[in-house]
Amino acid sequence: GDSVTQMEGPVTLSEEAFLTINCTYTATGYPSLFWYVQYPGEGLQLLLKATKADDKGSNKGFEATYRKETTSFHLEKGSVQVSDSAVYFCALGGFKTIFGAGTRLFVKA
Amino acid sequence: EAGVTQFPSHSVIEKGQTVTLRCDPISGHDNLYWYRRVMGKEIKFLLHFVKESKQDESGMPNNRFLAERTGGTYSTLKVQPAELEDSGVYFCASSRQGAYGYTFGSGTRLTVV
Repeated sequence: GDSVTQMEGPVTLSEEAFLTINCTYTATGYPSLFWYVQYPGEGLQLLLKATKADDKGSNKGFEATYRKETTSFHLEKGSVQVSDSAVYFCALGGFKTIFGAGTRLFVKA
Repeated sequence: EAGVTQFPSHSVIEKGQTVTLRCDPISGHDNLYWYRRVMGKEIKFLLHFVKESKQDESGMPNNRFLAERTGGTYSTLKVQPAELEDSGVYFCASSRQGAYGYTFGSGTRLTVV
């Protein structure tokens, strides 16, 4: 069945460092891909999405490109801030979304 | 617009007791979903309502879980009787008909002791 695999955390970075969180997927058809973020004490928020191959989703300095050839949707940010500390979830699908296990990011000042 | 509201935010109950979680979706959102995250693992789909009808309940773990959405507005998820393995965070989400990418609530953290 469909599945999502993302890198295990936690990931600890210093402020202004470059961030990559890897995400790969297995799916039939051409699902939409998402990144959700959960800040401490809050619910899940949609961070960005891509609906077809080669689409790039972007928001708040984060980017991810839908790569059909490598079945990947890696999350990147050029310069992280302390406020980016959160748990990040890669997900695929639509009405029945399939989530990865989440990657916790700690950013140190 | 108001977001998705879940109540309570935390619940601690003893094994064998009953707990009812509530979700108020965004007004006008026909689609309502329940998910849960157990012990830091993946967020797993439980079920999907379209208005008051259960569209997909394939993720419901067993018959101790009962979800309802009377009148197509708010939804409840009842666990009866609760077991230790039911502990986790239960998320509710909603979306407009045909929309992709949900709006999630803050979740209910359920602890069964």
